[in-house]
Amino acid sequence: NAGVTQTPKFQVLKTGQSMTLQCAQDMNHEYMSWYRQDPGMGLRLIHYSVGAGITDQGEVPNGYNVSRSTTEDFPLRLLSAAPSQTSVYFCASSRSDSFYEQYFGPGTRLTVT
Amino acid sequence: GDSVTQMEGPVTLSEEAFLTINCTYTATGYPSLFWYVQYPGEGLQLLLKATKADDKGSNKGFEATYRKETTSFHLEKGSVQVSDSAVYFCALSGTGNQFYFGTGTSLTVIP
Repeated sequence: NAGVTQTPKFQVLKTGQSMTLQCAQDMNHEYMSWYRQDPGMGLRLIHYSVGAGITDQGEVPNGYNVSRSTTEDFPLRLLSAAPSQTSVYFCASSRSDSFYEQYFGPGTRLTVT
Repeated sequence: GDSVTQMEGPVTLSEEAFLTINCTYTATGYPSLFWYVQYPGEGLQLLLKATKADDKGSNKGFEATYRKETTSFHLEKGSVQVSDSAVYFCALSGTGNQFYFGTGTSLTVIP
């Protein structure tokens, strides 16, 4: 099992550019989520999904889109990058019957200039 | 709304010292409480959990007790090792399918 994989590991964008952060899991987990980690602020939930075809907003969804067409994949799209989106992004997955035991990917460090 | 407050870091301890990292929470209803650990360059891993009042979670020598009367879930370890150096996050899951994390406490253990 690869667990939760994220690509890329590092990315630099210019303001206004768009990109997609990829997340995949091979554990057949129903629940997937995206967080951003900023200094002094811990992790904040961006979007989450309880299954294929179902997504919902978390605490800080503005500027991000998600879709969940398969159980395995949960990409995060930045529509028009802004410097405020400079952060480390983590994807996580878990089973719906124990969704608190989240498995995290290694993270993507994004810098927007 | 739901939230978690944990003690500011960084914390530096000598090997074999006693560790306490304080965590308090605000939540409606009856949340479940967790401690996650993040080793350098890695994602978070679940360390321990407690799903109801008075439950004690434990793992790898770490313990935390869910205290409803003081809305606390403090992390303790009797004798820390260099390998325990990491960032520790307190978290809760309350209403809905959402997690709330604290800001993290960085621990460095020196030999």
